[in-house]
Amino acid sequence: DSGVTQTPKHLITATGQRVTLRCSPRSGDLSVYWYQQSLDQGLQFLIQYYNGEERAKGNILERFSAQQFPDLHSELNLSSLELGDSALYFCASGGTGGYGYTFGSGTRLTVV
Amino acid sequence: GENVEQHPSTLSVQEGDSAVIKCTYSDSASNYFPWYKQELGKGPQLIIDIRSNVGEKKDQRIAVTLNKTAKHFSLHITETQPEDSAVYFCAASSSSNTGKLIFGQGTTLQVKP
Repeated sequence: DSGVTQTPKHLITATGQRVTLRCSPRSGDLSVYWYQQSLDQGLQFLIQYYNGEERAKGNILERFSAQQFPDLHSELNLSSLELGDSALYFCASGGTGGYGYTFGSGTRLTVV
Repeated sequence: GENVEQHPSTLSVQEGDSAVIKCTYSDSASNYFPWYKQELGKGPQLIIDIRSNVGEKKDQRIAVTLNKTAKHFSLHITETQPEDSAVYFCAASSSSNTGKLIFGQGTTLQVKP
């Protein structure tokens, strides 16, 4: 157990739908990072939050949004889902500076 | 833009042999270089990291070297074992200094018994 909790582990949904992925960071970590891993692809950075505020943004689609709550857990919202959104979505958390951050076990999203 | 190139994409070695994975980064301001191991069905796990003020770091059978001038860094695994089989990712810190990491595309290492 890495200390970073992601739910759900698996999600199957239809095109056009909206889903919410949840991440609870390790105790004491202020930063949360979201990454997308498609089949045979590397880890693509989506977005980072630090203590409730957006800190950095990557190639995140406009259909996707995220937020970090006062208790530091984060949610990634994916809407108007397309087949190409099927992927593993990882959350990672890190302390100040974010060095050596820790990944959760991911949410596997399948859009049918 | 920020980019990390990783080679090879697949690597097959015999148990006991050494394995080397190489990465090149584009941003000269990057100062932190971690390596992650991802086993099937799991999230990436940090196995070793190196900061820009160090040229080499070792941890048992794993070592990482960094050449800041050439913007290259490498992972060396000696005396490989079947349990080393996994996908390995290199990463470099973003110059934006937010803690964001830019990942390479990954190397699938297969260690044959």
